[in-house]
Amino acid sequence: DAGVTQSPTHLIKTRGQHVTLRCSPISGHKSVSWYQQVLGQGPQFIFQYYEKEERGRGNFPDRFSARQFPNYSSELNVNALLLGDSALYLCASSLGGGLGELFFGEGSRLTVL
Amino acid sequence: AQTVTQSQPEMSVQEAETVTLSCTYDTSESDYYLFWYKQPPSRQMILVIRQEAYKQQNATENRFSVNFQKAAKSFSLKISDSQLGDAAMYFCAGVRDSNYQLIWGAGTKLIIKP
Repeated sequence: DAGVTQSPTHLIKTRGQHVTLRCSPISGHKSVSWYQQVLGQGPQFIFQYYEKEERGRGNFPDRFSARQFPNYSSELNVNALLLGDSALYLCASSLGGGLGELFFGEGSRLTVL
Repeated sequence: AQTVTQSQPEMSVQEAETVTLSCTYDTSESDYYLFWYKQPPSRQMILVIRQEAYKQQNATENRFSVNFQKAAKSFSLKISDSQLGDAAMYFCAGVRDSNYQLIWGAGTKLIIKP
């Protein structure tokens, strides 16, 4: 069975640009969460979606947005990129919306120049 | 507010020996869950072990076990018979029962010496 897949794996953008990161959860999983991991730090929670509705949002500016599609895949969008947005963006899926085990993808490494 | 603190940026252990990684989880909640995740160079976070705060018994998964001291807010991970494949960043994380947001520590880099 395929695990959580994220695309792209690496990308480079310049300040002010926009980026879209994609995540496909494990088949049958209905919840997707997004985390930002800056180099040398632990991940920071950005969003959780369950059954296509936003379940939680972390302390990130409105430049960050996300959505979940009917097939439970998800997109994370970041507008007006700043140098500080350079990070590994991790997507995790879980079966339900509760505290079940999170399964992570390998992340999308974003570099903002 | 919740905070997760890992005070050991790096630990090293000889292969086949035992190592303990430390974590403190500060919260005013009574119901919460604690996790240890492993992140190898491949970047993918892998769940190592999970502990429910209401359970008095410490969780164990093969060579991995935790020592959860609720009053002291301590949640340490013990790795027995360390193997080269255990080398990775280890993150401690916690979540409130009423919330779905994992709060993470800064991580501990574990080095296994052959």
